[in-house]
Amino acid sequence: DAKTTQPPSMDCAEGRAANLPCNHSTISGNEYVYWYRQIHSQGPQYIIHGLKNNETNEMASLIITEDRKSSTLILPHATLRDTAVYYCIVRAYYNDYKLSFGAGTTVTVRA
Amino acid sequence: DTEVTQTPKHLVMGMTNKKSLKCEQHMGHRAMYWYKQKAKKPPELMFVYSYEKLSINESVPSRFSPECPNSSLLNLHLHALQPEDSALYLCASSLLTGQVNSPLHFGNGTRLTVT
Repeated sequence: DAKTTQPPSMDCAEGRAANLPCNHSTISGNEYVYWYRQIHSQGPQYIIHGLKNNETNEMASLIITEDRKSSTLILPHATLRDTAVYYCIVRAYYNDYKLSFGAGTTVTVRA
Repeated sequence: DTEVTQTPKHLVMGMTNKKSLKCEQHMGHRAMYWYKQKAKKPPELMFVYSYEKLSINESVPSRFSPECPNSSLLNLHLHALQPEDSALYLCASSLLTGQVNSPLHFGNGTRLTVT
């Protein structure tokens, strides 16, 4: 599976948009980008996924660059409850049973 | 709230005990997973069941024994564990394996302490 690189931590202000970057420069054409988050003492929560088009749902937006080598998860109006570890995962079609987590980004939303 | 329910939430067991973790989902998902998460580390895959059959074992020691009695239930039987097996054990389900477009949905885990 392609590896991902995320900053270890970032802060953002409550009410502002949070932009979480992810680098996946070795991604191949059949691999999807998934985002999960894990709030302290809870299980990982699915946020969004995409292949090459930008995606939006009620939680977030996913922007994937045209060359697919990087992506950004956007939380449009961060709240204190968005404080969590955010995982960017590249999931391969041929290995699709496996969702392999990297180290993630610890996001702290401050009032 | 999560649609994958795990019990118990917390478990303390001795190294000679036998215990079981239980996971239940009623979303009609046919793939179920066990992950293990050590403190301050990301989750690591242990087992995958597809249509109630074990499809993946990630070289997990035999003191961990999974069981899938039906499509809604997943158990993890524990025997002769070591203190280093203390961790958060997460269950997940997805509509199918073989579907890269099928997100996994996780429970909130069982926090296991081995004394």
